[in-house]
Amino acid sequence: ETGVTQSPTHLIKTRGQQVTLRCSSQSGHNTVSWYQQALGQGPQFIFQYYREEENGRGNFPPRFSGLQFPNYSSELNVNALELDDSALYLCASSPIVSDTQYFGPGTRLTVL
Amino acid sequence: SQQGEEDPQALSIQEGENATMNCSYKTSINNLQWYRQNSGRGLVHLILIRSNEREKHSGRLRVTLDTSKKSSSLLITASRAADTASYFCATDASGRGITQGGSEKLVFGKGTKLTVNP
Repeated sequence: ETGVTQSPTHLIKTRGQQVTLRCSSQSGHNTVSWYQQALGQGPQFIFQYYREEENGRGNFPPRFSGLQFPNYSSELNVNALELDDSALYLCASSPIVSDTQYFGPGTRLTVL
Repeated sequence: SQQGEEDPQALSIQEGENATMNCSYKTSINNLQWYRQNSGRGLVHLILIRSNEREKHSGRLRVTLDTSKKSSSLLITASRAADTASYFCATDASGRGITQGGSEKLVFGKGTKLTVNP
Protein backbone atom coordinates (compact mmCIF):
# COMPACT_ATOMS: atom_id res chain seq x y z
CA GLU A 1 0.00 0.00 0.00
CA THR A 2 1.41 3.36 -1.05
CA GLY A 3 -1.21 5.54 0.62
CA VAL A 4 -2.25 6.97 -2.74
CA THR A 5 -5.87 6.37 -3.69
CA GLN A 6 -7.70 6.88 -6.96
CA SER A 7 -11.35 6.97 -7.88
CA PRO A 8 -13.22 5.55 -9.55
CA THR A 9 -11.61 2.13 -10.11
CA HIS A 10 -13.30 1.58 -13.44
CA LEU A 11 -15.20 3.88 -15.76
CA ILE A 12 -16.97 3.45 -19.08
CA LYS A 13 -17.67 6.47 -21.26
CA THR A 14 -18.67 7.06 -24.85
CA ARG A 15 -16.76 8.99 -27.46
CA GLY A 16 -17.15 12.74 -27.13
CA GLN A 17 -17.98 12.70 -23.42
CA GLN A 18 -15.94 14.29 -20.66
CA VAL A 19 -14.43 12.50 -17.66
CA THR A 20 -12.90 13.49 -14.32
CA LEU A 21 -10.54 11.18 -12.48
CA ARG A 22 -9.49 11.80 -8.89
CA CYS A 23 -6.37 11.13 -6.88
CA SER A 24 -5.68 11.52 -3.19
CA SER A 25 -2.00 11.82 -2.36
CA GLN A 26 -0.08 10.69 0.66
CA SER A 27 -0.03 13.17 3.51
CA GLY A 28 2.88 15.57 3.13
CA HIS A 29 3.30 14.95 -0.61
CA ASN A 30 3.12 18.22 -2.52
CA THR A 31 3.71 16.86 -6.01
CA VAL A 32 1.40 14.74 -8.11
CA SER A 33 2.05 13.31 -11.55
CA TRP A 34 -0.40 11.68 -13.92
CA TYR A 35 0.43 8.90 -16.37
CA GLN A 36 -1.52 7.12 -19.09
CA GLN A 37 -0.84 3.43 -19.67
CA ALA A 38 -2.29 1.82 -22.77
CA LEU A 39 -2.66 -1.95 -22.80
CA GLY A 40 0.69 -3.68 -23.18
CA GLN A 41 2.65 -0.42 -22.95
CA GLY A 42 4.59 1.40 -20.30
CA PRO A 43 3.09 4.46 -18.58
CA GLN A 44 3.39 7.77 -20.43
CA PHE A 45 3.76 11.05 -18.56
CA ILE A 46 0.78 13.37 -18.96
CA PHE A 47 1.59 16.24 -16.58
CA GLN A 48 2.75 17.08 -13.09
CA TYR A 49 1.46 19.51 -10.47
CA TYR A 50 3.64 21.02 -7.79
CA ARG A 51 2.15 23.32 -5.18
CA GLU A 52 -1.04 23.65 -7.27
CA GLU A 53 0.80 24.80 -10.40
CA GLU A 54 1.46 22.75 -13.54
CA ASN A 55 5.12 21.74 -13.43
CA GLY A 56 5.73 20.03 -16.74
CA ARG A 57 3.62 18.41 -19.40
CA GLY A 58 4.09 15.48 -21.72
CA ASN A 59 2.98 15.13 -25.30
CA PHE A 60 -0.76 15.24 -24.66
CA PRO A 61 -3.30 17.63 -26.23
CA PRO A 62 -4.94 20.47 -24.27
CA ARG A 63 -8.13 18.46 -23.81
CA PHE A 64 -6.17 16.73 -21.04
CA SER A 65 -6.18 19.12 -18.09
CA GLY A 66 -5.63 18.90 -14.40
CA LEU A 67 -5.96 20.52 -11.02
CA GLN A 68 -4.23 20.18 -7.70
CA PHE A 69 -5.98 21.35 -4.55
CA PRO A 70 -4.55 22.85 -1.35
CA ASN A 71 -4.84 19.49 0.37
CA TYR A 72 -2.70 18.09 -2.50
CA SER A 73 -5.49 15.94 -3.93
CA SER A 74 -5.72 16.14 -7.69
CA GLU A 75 -8.00 15.75 -10.69
CA LEU A 76 -7.39 14.75 -14.28
CA ASN A 77 -10.01 15.96 -16.73
CA VAL A 78 -10.31 14.72 -20.28
CA ASN A 79 -12.69 16.42 -22.70
CA ALA A 80 -14.03 15.14 -26.02
CA LEU A 81 -13.05 11.55 -25.29
CA GLU A 82 -11.62 9.48 -28.12
CA LEU A 83 -11.41 5.71 -28.43
CA ASP A 84 -7.62 5.89 -27.99
CA ASP A 85 -8.09 7.44 -24.56
CA SER A 86 -9.01 3.98 -23.29
CA ALA A 87 -6.24 3.17 -20.84
CA LEU A 88 -5.20 2.81 -17.23
CA TYR A 89 -4.66 6.25 -15.68
CA LEU A 90 -2.17 6.36 -12.86
CA CYS A 91 -1.41 9.13 -10.45
CA ALA A 92 1.76 9.25 -8.43
CA SER A 93 2.64 11.49 -5.52
CA SER A 94 6.01 12.55 -4.19
CA PRO A 95 7.24 14.26 -1.06
CA ILE A 96 9.21 17.49 -1.32
CA VAL A 97 12.09 17.17 -3.81
CA SER A 98 12.13 13.43 -4.21
CA ASP A 99 13.22 11.00 -6.88
CA THR A 100 10.73 8.38 -5.78
CA GLN A 101 7.08 8.42 -6.80
CA TYR A 102 4.32 6.51 -5.06
CA PHE A 103 1.66 5.25 -7.42
CA GLY A 104 -2.04 4.75 -6.84
CA PRO A 105 -3.85 1.63 -8.10
CA GLY A 106 -5.11 3.42 -11.20
CA THR A 107 -8.43 4.09 -12.90
CA ARG A 108 -9.31 1.91 -15.87
CA LEU A 109 -11.10 4.06 -18.45
CA THR A 110 -12.91 2.45 -21.37
CA VAL A 111 -14.20 4.67 -24.17
CA LEU A 112 -16.81 3.10 -26.44
CA SER B 1 8.34 8.45 -26.91
CA GLN B 2 9.82 5.68 -24.77
CA GLN B 3 13.23 6.49 -23.32
CA GLY B 4 13.88 3.06 -21.86
CA GLU B 5 13.45 -0.24 -23.61
CA GLU B 6 13.37 -3.45 -21.62
CA ASP B 7 14.60 -6.76 -22.86
CA PRO B 8 13.27 -9.40 -23.05
CA GLN B 9 9.62 -8.48 -23.51
CA ALA B 10 8.59 -11.68 -21.73
CA LEU B 11 10.43 -14.12 -19.50
CA SER B 12 9.20 -17.41 -18.06
CA ILE B 13 11.24 -19.26 -15.43
CA GLN B 14 10.85 -21.83 -12.68
CA GLU B 15 10.63 -20.93 -9.03
CA GLY B 16 14.10 -20.74 -7.49
CA GLU B 17 15.81 -19.64 -10.71
CA ASN B 18 17.28 -16.19 -11.24
CA ALA B 19 15.61 -13.67 -13.54
CA THR B 20 17.57 -11.01 -15.42
CA MET B 21 15.96 -8.10 -17.22
CA ASN B 22 17.78 -5.45 -19.19
CA CYS B 23 16.97 -1.84 -19.95
CA SER B 24 18.52 0.49 -22.49
CA TYR B 25 17.98 4.23 -22.62
CA LYS B 26 18.85 7.02 -25.00
CA THR B 27 19.84 10.23 -23.23
CA SER B 28 21.98 11.12 -20.22
CA ILE B 29 20.38 10.46 -16.87
CA ASN B 30 20.68 11.44 -13.22
CA ASN B 31 19.29 8.15 -12.06
CA LEU B 32 17.42 5.10 -13.25
CA GLN B 33 14.58 3.45 -11.39
CA TRP B 34 12.93 0.07 -11.57
CA TYR B 35 9.24 -0.42 -10.88
CA ARG B 36 7.04 -3.48 -10.64
CA GLN B 37 3.40 -3.76 -11.70
CA ASN B 38 1.07 -6.60 -10.81
CA SER B 39 -1.55 -7.38 -13.44
CA GLY B 40 -2.65 -3.88 -14.53
CA ARG B 41 -2.48 -2.36 -11.08
CA GLY B 42 -0.38 0.51 -9.74
CA LEU B 43 3.38 0.54 -9.93
CA VAL B 44 5.58 -0.19 -6.95
CA HIS B 45 9.01 1.41 -6.68
CA LEU B 46 11.72 -1.24 -6.33
CA ILE B 47 15.08 0.44 -6.48
CA LEU B 48 16.84 3.59 -7.68
CA ILE B 49 20.41 3.72 -8.89
CA ARG B 50 22.19 7.02 -9.42
CA SER B 51 24.36 7.78 -12.41
CA ASN B 52 27.53 7.68 -10.29
CA GLU B 53 26.71 4.19 -8.97
CA ARG B 54 27.53 0.97 -10.77
CA GLU B 55 25.69 -1.58 -8.66
CA LYS B 56 23.05 -1.59 -5.96
CA HIS B 57 21.40 -4.30 -3.90
CA SER B 58 18.07 -4.51 -2.11
CA GLY B 59 17.11 -7.88 -0.68
CA ARG B 60 16.93 -10.32 -3.60
CA LEU B 61 17.29 -7.51 -6.13
CA ARG B 62 20.54 -6.48 -7.76
CA VAL B 63 20.70 -3.58 -10.18
CA THR B 64 23.64 -2.59 -12.32
CA LEU B 65 24.13 0.55 -14.37
CA ASP B 66 26.53 1.11 -17.23
CA THR B 67 26.28 4.74 -18.29
CA SER B 68 28.82 4.27 -21.09
CA LYS B 69 26.49 1.74 -22.71
CA LYS B 70 23.33 3.51 -21.52
CA SER B 71 22.04 0.28 -20.05
CA SER B 72 20.90 -1.23 -16.77
CA SER B 73 20.02 -4.70 -15.60
CA LEU B 74 17.75 -5.98 -12.85
CA LEU B 75 18.51 -9.37 -11.36
CA ILE B 76 16.00 -11.13 -9.13
CA THR B 77 17.63 -14.04 -7.34
CA ALA B 78 15.86 -17.15 -6.08
CA SER B 79 12.61 -16.13 -7.75
CA ARG B 80 9.21 -16.91 -6.26
CA ALA B 81 5.78 -17.28 -7.81
CA ALA B 82 4.89 -13.98 -6.12
CA ASP B 83 7.50 -12.23 -8.28
CA THR B 84 5.24 -12.76 -11.29
CA ALA B 85 4.62 -9.23 -12.58
CA SER B 86 5.70 -6.72 -15.20
CA TYR B 87 8.91 -4.84 -14.54
CA PHE B 88 9.67 -1.38 -15.91
CA CYS B 89 12.73 0.80 -15.95
CA ALA B 90 12.19 4.55 -15.78
CA THR B 91 14.37 7.58 -16.28
CA ASP B 92 13.80 11.30 -15.98
CA ALA B 93 12.46 12.77 -19.20
CA SER B 94 14.55 15.90 -18.96
CA GLY B 95 17.74 14.28 -17.77
CA ARG B 96 18.16 17.23 -15.45
CA GLY B 97 16.61 15.65 -12.38
CA ILE B 98 14.77 17.78 -9.89
CA THR B 99 15.67 21.41 -10.35
CA GLN B 100 13.07 23.74 -8.95
CA GLY B 101 10.85 21.54 -6.89
CA GLY B 102 8.45 18.83 -7.84
CA SER B 103 9.73 15.46 -8.87
CA GLU B 104 11.05 13.78 -11.96
CA LYS B 105 8.91 13.34 -15.04
CA LEU B 106 9.44 9.65 -15.59
CA VAL B 107 9.77 8.00 -18.97
CA PHE B 108 9.10 4.28 -18.91
CA GLY B 109 9.96 1.46 -21.24
CA LYS B 110 7.43 -1.10 -22.42
CA GLY B 111 8.35 -3.48 -19.64
CA THR B 112 9.34 -7.10 -19.19
CA LYS B 113 6.57 -9.50 -18.27
CA LEU B 114 8.01 -12.05 -15.84
CA THR B 115 6.22 -15.32 -15.12
CA VAL B 116 7.59 -17.50 -12.33
CA ASN B 117 6.16 -21.00 -12.46
CA PRO B 118 5.75 -22.90 -9.17
